Amino acid sequence: DIQMTQSPSSVSASVGDRVTITCRASQGISSDLAWYQQKPGKPPKLLIKAASTLQSGVPSRFTGSGSGTEFTLTISSLQPEDFATYFCLQANSFPRTFGGGTKVEIK
Amino acid sequence: QVQLVQSGAEVKKPGASVKLSCKASGYTFSGHAIHWVRQAPGQRLEFMGWINTGNGDTKYSQNFQGTVTITRDTSATTAYMELSSLRSEDTAVYYCARDCSSGTCYDNWGQGTLVTVSS
Repeated sequence: DIQMTQSPSSVSASVGDRVTITCRASQGISSDLAWYQQKPGKPPKLLIKAASTLQSGVPSRFTGSGSGTEFTLTISSLQPEDFATYFCLQANSFPRTFGGGTKVEIK
Repeated sequence: QVQLVQSGAEVKKPGASVKLSCKASGYTFSGHAIHWVRQAPGQRLEFMGWINTGNGDTKYSQNFQGTVTITRDTSATTAYMELSSLRSEDTAVYYCARDCSSGTCYDNWGQGTLVTVSS
């Protein structure tokens, strides 16, 4: 199975801050990576697909980049509604596997 | 709009089985695979298996081979996931998720079903 290592596991930030989250795959996955946001008691919400394609309706402050084994999600200017947990998903190889999550907390 | 509506919370005893449902609406059911994923307390999301809603083909994670069965009823536009031989470690929120058209993401999720396994 492909292992997805996500860092950091948590980050404290203020409104307006730039936040960067990284996912590393244990082997190359091309651009078959998606990023999700999850709030407590809710299902995940798709933010980015194919490593860098913004899902319809998602604010442009979210950007994704990378290919192969290293991927990044950047929130350019953190908003109050962005405090949540973020995780990555690799869909290149069966079984699909997820990153461990990054909790973005209020500083 | 696309909706996946899951069945309600379940409480089961160890050794029992549970069957969850995922009712799809707002799109052509047979056009997108349905996957099942679970999230145990404090753990990362874990893929369980998926079903081709068109032809009924299934594929399961090795971690769940022999204990999970995924089926679908096209007339009811509903997918089902049955998990048998439940253990306390199976206590989790179970999600169904619709595969993206590209086959490389999940673009819609059910609201989740909490399954609690306790004696």
